[in-house]
Amino acid sequence: RKEVEQDPGPFNVPEGATVAFNCTYSNSASQSFFWYRQDCRKEPKLLMSVYSSGNEDGRFTAQLNRASQYISLLIRDSKLSDSATYLCVVNGMNRDDKIIFGKGTRLHILP
Amino acid sequence: EPEVTQTPSHQVTQMGQEVILRCVPISNHLYFYWYRQILGQKVEFLVSFYNNEISEKSEIFDDQFSVERPDGSNFTLKIRSTKLEDSAMYFCASSEVAGVGEQFFGPGTRLTVL
Repeated sequence: RKEVEQDPGPFNVPEGATVAFNCTYSNSASQSFFWYRQDCRKEPKLLMSVYSSGNEDGRFTAQLNRASQYISLLIRDSKLSDSATYLCVVNGMNRDDKIIFGKGTRLHILP
Repeated sequence: EPEVTQTPSHQVTQMGQEVILRCVPISNHLYFYWYRQILGQKVEFLVSFYNNEISEKSEIFDDQFSVERPDGSNFTLKIRSTKLEDSAMYFCASSEVAGVGEQFFGPGTRLTVL
């Protein structure tokens, strides 16, 4: 099983729709989880951290399911500017553990 | 807003040559990282650096790679004898806190090995 796995997409979604993607991770000892966004040929940028209780930031909601070892990202009322690749990032138990990126899910918002 | 900067933006080199990629992390950050992303592939962790030493490295970071913080601002990645498969985008990142904190990425250096 891959360490961090994501559906590569692309997800083609009309503007205004709600879209959700999941990411599964293999290391049950993982402690820190993040969603990053990467635009084409640009650097990754943190979208949001994922907390155990779930968290929301505007139109974005992140959830963590430790029992099933996945995190999710929900985008409501999608905008054209949401088109990007969304990277799931997982960190291990110790602070020095390497950070593992998923390959990303491509999202295209259609006008 | 403070940002991570990287130079050069694009480096072209011949196979077997040495290259040094440079990064200036955010000034109050203590943790530094290098990642690479081969075109169309995922971002891969190379190395983390704290307190003037490597704290973690991946299996990709073999003897041809080294990192250095030569002064109070720069953080460099040296590839000693480049191979064709080293062609990739190399991202530097820095953070205030290890692991659990947000990592701020630089714009990357595109390395092309001919």
